[in-house]
Amino acid sequence: EAQVTQNPRYLITVTGKKLTVTCSQNMNHEYMSWYRQDPGLGLRQIYYSMNVEVTDKGDVPEGYKVSRKEKRNFPLILESPSPNQTSLYFCASSKPMNTEAFFGQGTRLTVV
Amino acid sequence: QKEVEQDPGPLSVPEGAIVSLNCTYSNSAFQYFMWYRQYSRKGPELLMYTYSSGNKEDGRFTAQVDKSSKYISLFIRDSQPSDSATYLCAMRYSSNTGKLIFGQGTTLQVKP
Repeated sequence: EAQVTQNPRYLITVTGKKLTVTCSQNMNHEYMSWYRQDPGLGLRQIYYSMNVEVTDKGDVPEGYKVSRKEKRNFPLILESPSPNQTSLYFCASSKPMNTEAFFGQGTRLTVV
Repeated sequence: QKEVEQDPGPLSVPEGAIVSLNCTYSNSAFQYFMWYRQYSRKGPELLMYTYSSGNKEDGRFTAQVDKSSKYISLFIRDSQPSDSATYLCAMRYSSNTGKLIFGQGTTLQVKP
């Protein structure tokens, strides 16, 4: 089954404790992105990658890191999480020249 | 000012009503316009997309783009309780960029 898989689905952590949210897709898509979704603000793009080793900032990259060492994986790293990073996070993938992005199930992160 | 504005609602209609959902945008460089539907606790799924101006119809759904007014719409005819979801508009400058801008999303409830 074609899918984007995020882990974990739920995470509660403390301020300053480094964490990684994984994202993997099995559709051989070149493009991958991370978004955060907050009430009243919609989906905001954090980082995107158009291919292996190619990443670019979205609208809200501060406090996040990404890497794209393999085509199928695009982990999101929070080096020192803060409470304002409490949010619902989505990973998505798509092919070039294709408008459809396929989203993962979401990761609900709480930083206390 | 946000690049893409969308009234978050909520919007409540009776079953069978015609629903109109709208987004405005400020950047005339947008070329690709999409509507995503997001059910509760799920990732967004592409509903429709339109390139440049014009209309596109798919069953009960019609997407319209008016580039002169920087305004896009999604119409849902004969709305059903299963249409209850959050609808997000999204825009892209070109087909070969990973950057995607979303509106805030409109929550729709269709009452039986």
